[in-house]
Amino acid sequence: GDSVTQMEGPVTLSEEAFLTINCTYTATGYPSLFWYVQYPGEGLQLLLKATKADDKGSNKGFEATYRKETTSFHLEKGSVQVSDSAVYFCALSDEGMDSSYKLIFGSGTRLLVRP
Amino acid sequence: EAGVVQSPRYKIIEKKQPVAFWCNPISGHNTLYWYRQNLGQGPELLIRYENEEAVDDSQLPKDRFSAERLKGVDSTLKIQPAELGDSAVYLCASSLDTGVNYGYTFGSGTRLTVV
Repeated sequence: GDSVTQMEGPVTLSEEAFLTINCTYTATGYPSLFWYVQYPGEGLQLLLKATKADDKGSNKGFEATYRKETTSFHLEKGSVQVSDSAVYFCALSDEGMDSSYKLIFGSGTRLLVRP
Repeated sequence: EAGVVQSPRYKIIEKKQPVAFWCNPISGHNTLYWYRQNLGQGPELLIRYENEEAVDDSQLPKDRFSAERLKGVDSTLKIQPAELGDSAVYLCASSLDTGVNYGYTFGSGTRLTVV
């Protein structure tokens, strides 16, 4: 079945450091890919998405490129801030399947940014 | 616009007791989802409603879990009786229509602890 694999956390960085959180996926259809962020005490929020190969999603300085050849959707940010501390989830929905409405999540990666 | 509202935020119960969670989706959102998030894991879909109809409950443990969405608006998820393994965060989400490209909005969740 479809699945998402993320790098384990926590990832601890100093402010203004470069961030990469790795995400790879397996899917039988034509997935759309997403990054969600969960701040402490809050619900999941969509950070960015990409719906087809080579698309780049971007938001709030974060970006991720849909790489079909490597089945990856790595999240990057050039300069992290303390306020970016949160848990980040990579997810997919398989548009080619009957359950295209369903989000399949990775296990999440906790990011801690120190001043 | 108010987001997806869930209550209670936290619930601690003894095993074998019943428990219920309530969700009020965004006004006008036809599709409602319940997800369960185990500690250190990504959310997993339990059930999806289109208006008042449960159109996918294949992941709902029907021996002890039940759900309803009266009049296609608010929804309640119930567990009876609760087991230790039910400890998790229960997330409600809604979307304008079915399909992730309509955009999910998640609530803050109910954290259930079964002791």
